[in-house]
Amino acid sequence: NAGVTQTPKFQVLKTGQSMTLQCAQDMNHEYMSWYRQDPGMGLRLIHYSVGAGITDQGEVPNGYNVSRSTTEDFPLRLLSAAPSQTSVYFCASSYSFAGGGEQFFGPGTRLTVL
Amino acid sequence: EDKVVQSPLSLVVHEGDTVTLNCSYEVTNFRSLLWYKQEKKAPTFLFMLTSSGIEKKSGRLSSILDKKELFSILNITATQTGDSAIYLCAVSINAGNMLTFGGGTRLMVKP
Repeated sequence: NAGVTQTPKFQVLKTGQSMTLQCAQDMNHEYMSWYRQDPGMGLRLIHYSVGAGITDQGEVPNGYNVSRSTTEDFPLRLLSAAPSQTSVYFCASSYSFAGGGEQFFGPGTRLTVL
Repeated sequence: EDKVVQSPLSLVVHEGDTVTLNCSYEVTNFRSLLWYKQEKKAPTFLFMLTSSGIEKKSGRLSSILDKKELFSILNITATQTGDSAIYLCAVSINAGNMLTFGGGTRLMVKP
């Protein structure tokens, strides 16, 4: 199993550009989510999904879109990049345990917006 | 507003010392509390706690949850330089397994 994979690993954008961060998992997990991590801070939830076709907003959703057309893939789209979106982005997935459960994290994408 | 607070923010110890990291939380729909270790890349899972008073243990690391007082501690005994990392506490708060993270504790272990 590859686990959770993310592409690209690094990206530099200019203000106003758009791009899609890719995330895929091969563990047949129902739950997937996107977090961002800024220097000196913990992770903050952007969007999450409880299954194909179902998404919802997290703590910091503005400026980002998601969709979940398959169980495996959960791409994150930046509509019009801003310097405030410079961050490290982590995708995560987990089983749907009633009591919560371990989330498996991808290796991260380091994004810089100039 | 759901909140997870970790203390201390950072800690410097010498090899062999014992450390205790703290995590307190105020959330509306607690399901579980998780501890992660983050070195240079993605967080790696350490423990998940759902019941009060039951210690989880893995080698030199252990953790316990107090659901009445709304906190958890992570203990590391006989620290090693390889324990140097950011330790993250997170609370799972809903059926979608959303995690609310604390700001982390940066631990540095000196030889």
